[in-house]
Amino acid sequence: EVQLVESGGGLVRPGGSLRLSCAASGFTFSNYWMHWVRQPPGKGLLWVSRINAVGSTTDYADSVKGRFTISRDNAKNTLYLQMNSLRAEDTAVYYCARVKVLTGTTFEFWGQGTLVTVSS
Amino acid sequence: DIQMTQSPSSLSASAGDRVTITCRAGQTIFNYLTWYQQKPGKAPKLLIYEASSLQGGVPSRFSGSGSGTDFTLTISSLQPEDFATYYCQQSYTAPWTFGQGTKVEIK
Repeated sequence: EVQLVESGGGLVRPGGSLRLSCAASGFTFSNYWMHWVRQPPGKGLLWVSRINAVGSTTDYADSVKGRFTISRDNAKNTLYLQMNSLRAEDTAVYYCARVKVLTGTTFEFWGQGTLVTVSS
Repeated sequence: DIQMTQSPSSLSASAGDRVTITCRAGQTIFNYLTWYQQKPGKAPKLLIYEASSLQGGVPSRFSGSGSGTDFTLTISSLQPEDFATYYCQQSYTAPWTFGQGTKVEIK
C-alpha cells in the first residue's frame, strides 16, 4: 500500500524557515517524480514544486522560486521542502504527491498534509 | 500560466440527481485534464485522468469528457458520499494549475 506521510509543519514567524519532510513507503520511491502542492485555509489547490526521480531536475512555482528548495533522499525514501523567507501568504496545508506514471503530472497518491502557519 | 475555470463554484443537489461540472482551460491542453474529489480535512482523491479515464476503484457513476479547452465531470446518480469539492487540474505543462473548485452540497 502506497503511503506518504508529511511532517515538519508548524507556526513560524515571517522571514523564518521550515523544512517539511514526506516519508514514502509501499512503492519504489526512487522511480517516481514527486511534487509538493499546497492549499491555503479555505481555498483551492496550488502546485508548488516538483523533482525528478534522481533529484537532478527541479521546478518551482513563481511564487516560491528562490525561497523554497525541493530535494530528496532516495536511500531514506524521503522527500523534502526547505522553505526560507516565509511570508504570511505561504500559510497553507502542504501535501506531497506521487505521480501516476513515473514522470507524469497526474497526482495519484497524496499525503495527509502538514499545516504551515506564518504569523507574528 | 494556463488558467483553469470551473463552473459552477457551488451547487446544491439531492441524492440520485445527475450532476455536471465544467472546466475550461485558457488554452488547449489536449486531453491532459484530471479531476479530483476532496472532502473536508482530507487530501484530494484522484477520480479521472486524461480527461476520461476512470481511476481504479472509483465508482462508474463518475465520468469525464472533453478535449482541447472544454471538459466535463458528470456524476450520473449522486450518492451521499459524493458531497465534496471537486477540482480540475491541467497536467499538460508547468506550472500545473487547478480550477478554483466546485462544492457539491446537499439540497
